[in-house]
Amino acid sequence: QQPVQSPQAVILREGEDAVINCSSSKALYSVHWYRQKHGEAPVFLMILLKGGEQKGHDKISASFNEKKQQSSLYLTASQLSYSGTYFCGTQEYGNKLVFGAGTILRVKS
Amino acid sequence: EPEVTQTPSHQVTQMGQEVILRCVPISNHLYFYWYRQILGQKVEFLVSFYNNEISEKSEIFDDQFSVERPDGSNFTLKIRSTKLEDSAMYFCASSEDPGSLQETQYFGPGTRLLVL
Repeated sequence: QQPVQSPQAVILREGEDAVINCSSSKALYSVHWYRQKHGEAPVFLMILLKGGEQKGHDKISASFNEKKQQSSLYLTASQLSYSGTYFCGTQEYGNKLVFGAGTILRVKS
Repeated sequence: EPEVTQTPSHQVTQMGQEVILRCVPISNHLYFYWYRQILGQKVEFLVSFYNNEISEKSEIFDDQFSVERPDGSNFTLKIRSTKLEDSAMYFCASSEDPGSLQETQYFGPGTRLLVL
């Protein structure tokens, strides 16, 4: 069963912040976040492991709440280059990733 | 920086024809995957491959699909008799350590398959 992402789409101005959520009804081992630009391959952003950790680099960070089986991706002081579709991929067992439907992020100048 | 490569970048075929999509995973990676993405939709898992055999496959991966590692570097996806609904972007991915459930999967640039 695929994870549920919200919102479906968000439009920001440069410098604004955004939060993208990913939730699952299943117990997860990990959550993987990817960004995909139109016509390109998904680019790995980060992995969140069960245990409720939080990670980040630059102005993009994420958290994983194991009890709620929910992960959130935080984009602060957004830049034009952040535009794209953000997918969360979840791992329940095995190695396959089950992706959410994606969140379209558009940053305007 | 090492990367996953895929060929061809685009493939147009007639319905019923066989196609082979090729991938060269990152050289020290041991776990390989195929995913597909129908235009405008999410990325869907097809199959994972480790130690020369299929590790896991989705319900999409029916008898029309097969995977092979014909030599030490290539990893292929064959669709025996293509259907219109096979039109999609096909992504190959690889990861380093199959023993870890938290390994990063690196995606190739994709092959856009169009079945007419």
